[in-house]
Amino acid sequence: AQSVTQLDSQVPVFEEAPVELRCNYSSSVSVYLFWYVQYPNQGLQLLLKYLSGSTLVKGINGFEAEFNKSQTSFHLRKPSVHISDTAEYFCAVWGRGKIIFGKGTRLHILP
Amino acid sequence: SQTIHQWPATLVQPVGSPLSLECTVEGTSNPNLYWYRQAAGRGLQLLFYSVGIGQISSEVPQNLSASRPQDRQFILSSKKLLLSDSGFYLCAWSVLGGGTDTQYFGPGTRLTVL
Repeated sequence: AQSVTQLDSQVPVFEEAPVELRCNYSSSVSVYLFWYVQYPNQGLQLLLKYLSGSTLVKGINGFEAEFNKSQTSFHLRKPSVHISDTAEYFCAVWGRGKIIFGKGTRLHILP
Repeated sequence: SQTIHQWPATLVQPVGSPLSLECTVEGTSNPNLYWYRQAAGRGLQLLFYSVGIGQISSEVPQNLSASRPQDRQFILSSKKLLLSDSGFYLCAWSVLGGGTDTQYFGPGTRLTVL
């Protein structure tokens, strides 16, 4: 059965520093992976998705993620964060006929 | 372009009272529609999804129900709210409903049951 684990519930990082948000998945079939972002008091918005092809996926707002099949990971990265990146980030995997979301990682940007 | 609306934005209701949350989508036809609940520290839980008018699939047993009276309208209801129903309710739509599909979320309704 498909599942997704976000290893960190909160990640503090200084402004202009790099960040990595970790995501591990389990799946027995073809893997479709997603990262969504939720700004305070708003709905979710797609950042990027991996369906097939290149393992490095570029998304909006300067984010990218790398699909690693051997490590069953899909970590999200940004080389330099801004205060506007303060949000909750959700990793998701397609499975059992629906998207399965992780519990989310709150990104705190420190001045 | 497509837009998705939810109302109300916030709601405070007493235990035992009824509930009706509405979601409408504009700019697309025959969308797949979803209701999620987001509770603190628990991520998103899929409650219901619908592939067409009158077609509702329930993901978890609960005192909530959903209806789709029109192609682009999705309603979440309850006859008697419980304290545990508090949370942030999100409606979403997608074109195909398959694994490659992006889901587009509404702004959400924050429900507090007292």
